[in-house]
Amino acid sequence: GESVGLHLPTLSVQEGDNSIINCAYSNSASDYFIWYKQESGKGPQFIIDIRSNMDKRQGQRVTVLLNKTVKHLSLQIAATQPGDSAVYFCAEIKDDMRFGAGTRLTVKP
Amino acid sequence: DTGVSQNPRHKITKRGQNVTFRCDPISEHNRLYWYRQTLGQGPEFLTYFQNEAQLEKSRLLSDRFSAERPKGSFSTLEIQRTEQGDSAMYLCASSGWTGIPNTGELFFGEGSRLTVL
Repeated sequence: GESVGLHLPTLSVQEGDNSIINCAYSNSASDYFIWYKQESGKGPQFIIDIRSNMDKRQGQRVTVLLNKTVKHLSLQIAATQPGDSAVYFCAEIKDDMRFGAGTRLTVKP
Repeated sequence: DTGVSQNPRHKITKRGQNVTFRCDPISEHNRLYWYRQTLGQGPEFLTYFQNEAQLEKSRLLSDRFSAERPKGSFSTLEIQRTEQGDSAMYLCASSGWTGIPNTGELFFGEGSRLTVL
């Protein structure tokens, strides 16, 4: 499943499928980007980051892709699990850290 | 628990009252941030400290809001004469110095939820 961030704030996927969460950032001069996961009633939790001089970075089950040409960031989650259900925010950093509105990921068993 | 600690977790107050939130960051972190988050939105930056110095304040931080970090450790965020529009989750985060300004992951607390009646 795939979201388009602000225009589709909810993404529902089947357990085991791959998820793609998208984010359009605003500042072409931002030099650092982070994805956060926020579960209900909790603070945001760091998932993965990427610097502006990179196009791709992989973590455990997660991959972040950065396309500076169109100011687009995506988070790919492989083999999505029920525990991945949360709201996902991208954040861009230049002089401060600014968050997007987030995408709610729901994983159906 | 060595994470970022915030209290109170929940505060219900009447309009016009003053409230104060406290944040205890991760002990070795020299940067401390305050964010505000409303339902369905991402966190909005309010202010941040490096040690005891308040280095940046958002335009969102009206005169009714004041933040302090007197000894470079814990921080307080006070809201005076609360309004219903102040109802939100107030998040604190801390980070260590990475040598590169404004980078490095933030470690968030679980937030203080304010409800103004």
